[in-house]
Amino acid sequence: LAKTTQPISMDSYEGQEVNITCSHNNIATNDYITWYQQFPSQGPRFIIQGYKTKVTNEVASLFIPADRKSSTLSLPRVSLSDTAVYYCLVGVGYGGATNKLIFGTGTLLAVQP
Amino acid sequence: DTGVSQNPRHKITKRGQNVTFRCDPISEHNRLYWYRQTLGQGPEFLTYFQNEAQLEKSRLLSDRFSAERPKGSFSTLEIQRTEQGDSAMYLCASSPGRGGRNTEAFFGQGTRLTVV
Repeated sequence: LAKTTQPISMDSYEGQEVNITCSHNNIATNDYITWYQQFPSQGPRFIIQGYKTKVTNEVASLFIPADRKSSTLSLPRVSLSDTAVYYCLVGVGYGGATNKLIFGTGTLLAVQP
Repeated sequence: DTGVSQNPRHKITKRGQNVTFRCDPISEHNRLYWYRQTLGQGPEFLTYFQNEAQLEKSRLLSDRFSAERPKGSFSTLEIQRTEQGDSAMYLCASSPGRGGRNTEAFFGQGTRLTVV
């Protein structure tokens, strides 16, 4: 699975939009980009997945440029409860035989009042 | 069925003892994963089952670790002769098979193991 690089930590304030960028220079043609969120003492939780351009759901948006070598998770109007670690992963999304998800160290987002 | 269930939530054991953890995945999911996570690190892959078949096992997993998934339902992870370095959060996850996102896994809340 392609290796990903993301910032170790980010700070924000309540109400701001937060953008976390992930680099995945070696992404394969059939790889999807997936983001997870993890709160302390809990397992990771799937947030969003995309292949190209833009994907939006009720929680976040995912922006993927044409070359797909990076992606940006956008969290609109964060609140204190969005303080968590965010992981970027790449792997086969549909129809493939992904047997494991490879997590990096993630980005610790700290939201302050 | 509201999600992946793991038991126990916490386990304290003396070095050298054996421990066993249980994971009950979401009922219709045929894929099951075990991960280990230490403080400040992301989850580290241990092993993967598709139904009852253990299809992949991390090379990081020593012979003291064994996992089973009889009948393709719940799974157990056993650690024999525990060492202090085994202290970690052990996470179980499941995902649907064909038709679902391969990269969308549903995690349990984990079992925190402390070896003293």
